[in-house]
Amino acid sequence: QGQLVQSGAEVQKPGASVKLSCKASGYPFSRFGLFWIRQAPGQRPEWMGWFNGGSGRTTYSQNFQGRVTITIDRSASTGFLEVGSLRSEDTATYYCARGNIVVLPAADRKSYYYYYLDVWGKGTTVAVSS
Amino acid sequence: DIVMTQSPLSLPVSPGEPASISCRASQSLLHSNGYNYLDWFLQKPGQSPQLLIYLGSSRASGVPDRFSGSGSGTDFTLNISRVEAEDVGIYFCMQALQGWTFGQGTRVEIK
Repeated sequence: QGQLVQSGAEVQKPGASVKLSCKASGYPFSRFGLFWIRQAPGQRPEWMGWFNGGSGRTTYSQNFQGRVTITIDRSASTGFLEVGSLRSEDTATYYCARGNIVVLPAADRKSYYYYYLDVWGKGTTVAVSS
Repeated sequence: DIVMTQSPLSLPVSPGEPASISCRASQSLLHSNGYNYLDWFLQKPGQSPQLLIYLGSSRASGVPDRFSGSGSGTDFTLNISRVEAEDVGIYFCMQALQGWTFGQGTRVEIK
């Protein structure tokens, strides 16, 4: 079925960086996508970026481009999210989620891949405060 | 960016009664392949979001059949045929056509 275990809570000062981890188990890590999503208190979730296991490509939300880095250690089935230049608005719970894949049959005979977020980690809380 | 708007924001429901949540996208989520790139999640108190519905109407593995999704283009609905106590929480819709963006959430509570 699969499980994602995230690293522990962090407290950081403004301007610092933080690196979070997300260890996968119970499924072939490299064949799936890995998403990072954060949720500030009382707010809607916000997609930050994702790693496409099939292509090996990483894509970032424009809202975080240049300040966020996603890396993967395939040998350890672990993904990492690094957020730099932290500010108070970055105080949130950060989730990783598995991107499961479904191949969509289409009338044009092309192959379309849809990623749905079916397994989530419990989240890592990050507090940014001076 | 595609903006997702849900209604209502709060929904009190009696056990055994039906519930319906609406989600509207600022532009069509119907891909050229004929599928709607819209998912539904439930976030129970103190927990991570859990997937209920993907591609507008496909129920995720293990999700009870009292949950169903419908709609196309810009207007979507999540229906719960008979609400149970374990269904309380915040329901989010999410578009996956251009990046991924979430609605603001609908809080379902038991009367």
